[in-house]
Amino acid sequence: DVKVTQSSRYLVKRTGEKVFLECVQDMDHENMFWYRQDPGLGLRLIYFSYDVKMKEKGDIPEGYSVSREKKERFSLILESASTNQTSMYLCASTRTGAYEQYFGPGTRLTVT
Amino acid sequence: GQNIDQPTEMTATEGAIVQINCTYQTSGFNGLFWYQQHAGEAPTFLSYNVLDGLEEKGRFSSFLSRSKGYSYLLLKELQMKDSASYLCAAANYGGSQGNLIFGKGTKLSVKP
Repeated sequence: DVKVTQSSRYLVKRTGEKVFLECVQDMDHENMFWYRQDPGLGLRLIYFSYDVKMKEKGDIPEGYSVSREKKERFSLILESASTNQTSMYLCASTRTGAYEQYFGPGTRLTVT
Repeated sequence: GQNIDQPTEMTATEGAIVQINCTYQTSGFNGLFWYQQHAGEAPTFLSYNVLDGLEEKGRFSSFLSRSKGYSYLLLKELQMKDSASYLCAAANYGGSQGNLIFGKGTKLSVKP
C-alpha cells in the first residue's frame, strides 16, 4: 500500500512565524504535490515537484516555498505565516507517467 | 481556459440511487478521476475513466463522454457512510507531470 504521511494533523501558529510542513511517501514516487483546501474553493495547487531539487509553481504559490532534498520528502514552508493561510494542507504523490494521486492525511493549520 | 464544474451539494435517502455530474473544459485531457473525501480526511481514489463509457465497481459506477466533456458518478444502494464530498478531477497533459485539475467537490448528505 502506498503511504503518504504528514508531520502533523493539527498545528497552531502565530502570525509572522516560519512554519514547516513535511510530507513523506514510501513508494519511490517521482512527483509530489502540495495543495490547500478551503470551503467553497476546493483543492488548489500550491507547488509541485517532479524530481529531487526540482520545483514548479502551482496556482497559488505566493507566501509559500518548498524544498525537495530527498526523493521521498517534500516540505512546504510558510516564510511568515498570516491568518489567511489558515487552511487544510494536503500532500500527494504519484509516479511518473501516472495521474492517480495518493494523498496524505492532511494538516489543519490555524494561524492566530 | 480550464474549468471543472460539479454541484455544490446534494441530498439523497438511504437505499436510493444518486448521480453526481461533472462537466469539464481542459486542454490536453487525459482522463477523469473521482475521489471520495470524508470530512476532515484525505481524498481517496474511487475511479478513473480514460475511454468513453461506463465503468462499474460494486455500488459505484463512473461514466465518461469525452465528446461532451461530461462525466458522472453513480452511487447505488446508498448507505449512511456514503455521506462525504465527491471530487471530480481531470488529468491534464498541459503543465507538468501527473497534474490533476480538481473541481470544488460535491457534498453528499445521505439521510435515513
